[in-house]
Amino acid sequence: NAGVTQTPKFQVLKTGQSMTLQCAQDMNHNSMYWYRQDPGMGLRLIYYSASEGTTDKGEVPNGYNVSRLNKREFSLRLESAAPSQTSVYFCASAGLFSNQPQHFGDGTRLSIL
Amino acid sequence: AQTVTQSQPEMSVQEAETVTLSCTYDTSESDYYLFWYKQPPSRQMILVIRQEAYKQQNATENRFSVNFQKAAKSFSLKISDSQLGDAAMYFCAYSTRAGGTSYGKLTFGQGTILTVHP
Repeated sequence: NAGVTQTPKFQVLKTGQSMTLQCAQDMNHNSMYWYRQDPGMGLRLIYYSASEGTTDKGEVPNGYNVSRLNKREFSLRLESAAPSQTSVYFCASAGLFSNQPQHFGDGTRLSIL
Repeated sequence: AQTVTQSQPEMSVQEAETVTLSCTYDTSESDYYLFWYKQPPSRQMILVIRQEAYKQQNATENRFSVNFQKAAKSFSLKISDSQLGDAAMYFCAYSTRAGGTSYGKLTFGQGTILTVHP
């Protein structure tokens, strides 16, 4: 009963370090998304992938890169972490004719010192 | 671009009472979806209720119902007979219709923290 799996669940980085957040879904969904959640701002879309082999910028893409490795996996990379990227990161996936608009992972709490 | 606004950062309600959470949105599209999500302290994102814009009838799911006013671009959530387990952050969200019954990208409001007092 996995759904969307994110790793790690928690991470502390120093400014300037790099980090890749992993996301995998087992529902054969075409679309995958990365959001960040900050206090008072709700969830904001960083990048998304409408299908395997394509990626597009969302609302707040600066400082991030993504890779849609295959249909199951969609990773988010911080090349040089900054304190402003301290946030909770959510991965989500969506399929055609799904009963839900998006299925969310449990989130990754990332702190950058 | 679509925007979603929740003007109530925090709300509180007594157990067994009714509370209404407000949401307004802005869009130039005529066909779209609206949602309410619940996020408890566990951080899970739980879909509470959805509304299709072309349907005039307000959606209802057990104790949860919405008041959808398309012309006013308003989409409020009413929780009846509030329970302690309803305490959470609630997000209003908007999605375009991507094609058929498929959903597009989600745009979220800022969230409302709901406290339920025993």
